[in-house]
Amino acid sequence: DIQVTQSPSSLSASVGDRVTITCQASQDITNCLNWYQQKSGKAPKLLIYDASNLETGVPSRFSGSGSGTDYTLTISSLQPEDIATYYCQQYENLPLTFGGGTKVELK
Amino acid sequence: EVQLVESGGGLVQPGGSLRLSCAASGFTFSDHYMDWVRQAPGKGLEWVGRVRNRPNSYTTQYAASVRGRFTISRDDSKTSVFLQMNSLKTEDTAVYYCVRAYSFGYRFDYWGPGSQVTVSS
Repeated sequence: DIQVTQSPSSLSASVGDRVTITCQASQDITNCLNWYQQKSGKAPKLLIYDASNLETGVPSRFSGSGSGTDYTLTISSLQPEDIATYYCQQYENLPLTFGGGTKVELK
Repeated sequence: EVQLVESGGGLVQPGGSLRLSCAASGFTFSDHYMDWVRQAPGKGLEWVGRVRNRPNSYTTQYAASVRGRFTISRDDSKTSVFLQMNSLKTEDTAVYYCVRAYSFGYRFDYWGPGSQVTVSS
C-alpha cells in the first residue's frame, strides 16, 4: 500500500497569511493526488484534483503543486471560512489512501 | 443538482450486521463508480471500498480491514448503492460516507452527509 504522510498535523495562522500543507507519498504517485477540505461536522469537499487542478467553484486562493512523491497545498491568503481540516489522497494504486489530515486554526 | 443521501445507520452489537443504503440523484448514476469512505470518531478518512460500473462488470474492491466482512453492491435501476456490513467490530464505529468516484475513480467529487454506525455492546 502507498503511505501518505501529511504535515504539519495542525497549524495556527492569521487572516491573510500564506498557508502551506505538504504530503509525501511512500513512492512516486505521478501527480495522482487530490486535496479535500473538511469543516467541522461536515462531509469533505474536493478542492484540488490531479495535484494542481482547481475544482469548479473553489476560490483561486487555493492551489496545488508537486511531483513525484512530494506535493503541496497552498492557501495564498487565509480567510476565516478556510478554518477546517485538510486531507490529501492518492489514487495511483488501490487501496486509495489519505494523509492523516492538517487542522488549520486561526491565530 | 447532485445528491447522495445515506440511510440505515445505527447502533449494533459486536458480531452483528447492518446494511447502509445510498440514494443518488442529479446525475447519470450508471456511468460512475461509487465508493464508501469512513471516518472513526476524531480520526481521519479511510477508504472502505468501491463498486465499478456496468462496462467494468460491476467489479468491487475493498480495504484489507473490511475484506471478507463487507460487501458493496449497486442497483442502477434504483440509482442506489449499498454497503452490507457483517461480523461488525467495535473498530468499525465511524461515520460512513457514500461518494461518487468521478473519472474512473480518480477523484471523489460528491459526498453524502454521512451515516453514523456505532458498534457497541
